[in-house]
Amino acid sequence: QKEVEQNSGPLSVPEGAIASLNCTYSDRGSQSFFWYRQYSGKSPELIMFIYSNGDKEDGRFTAQLNKASQYVSLLIRDSQPSDSATYLCAVITPSNSGYALNFGKGTSLLVTP
Amino acid sequence: EPEVTQTPSHQVTQMGQEVILRCVPISNHLYFYWYRQILGQKVEFLVSFYNNEISEKSEIFDDQFSVERPDGSNFTLKIRSTKLEDSAMYFCASTLNYGYTFGSGTRLTVV
Repeated sequence: QKEVEQNSGPLSVPEGAIASLNCTYSDRGSQSFFWYRQYSGKSPELIMFIYSNGDKEDGRFTAQLNKASQYVSLLIRDSQPSDSATYLCAVITPSNSGYALNFGKGTSLLVTP
Repeated sequence: EPEVTQTPSHQVTQMGQEVILRCVPISNHLYFYWYRQILGQKVEFLVSFYNNEISEKSEIFDDQFSVERPDGSNFTLKIRSTKLEDSAMYFCASTLNYGYTFGSGTRLTVV
């Protein structure tokens, strides 16, 4: 069973702080890693993806991947109240027949003014 | 920016009825997906569709479910004989490679 694990939270950070969200995955064959943001009642929105070990930065967001530890994280710098949402980690583990996203349960982030 | 369009946004149906959820993927995308999210739970993969056939399906996607791309633009999910536990948000997604774009979802309520 391929598992993607996230702390459910809520993670509470003050406005302007760095929020750190973590995700682990069980299948070493996983190749692609995604972070989505989901507001209540809405669909997932892609924040960023990462394929290679190391860091990838996009504006206030940095994704970090460590395949040896099977760990991926998302840092949000200068957190804003509008960042309050559930953050979903998703993993693709290619199989013979497809590239479906396997989601974690998500971490709820609350940014307080 | 191109969007994945889903209709209806909300559907209420009686247990045992058939429902069809509709999606218009982004026009140049090649892979199409249905996911569902039961309230308070994680987003779950149902089925993927490529080159006019199912390429992968999960254990959830049993004989109650079917997908179709009837006219080259629409992508539909049919649920036969709905059950109470089918109540969920259903998301369509499409991609050209790995950059999935999700539709806004259909909230299905089975009563």
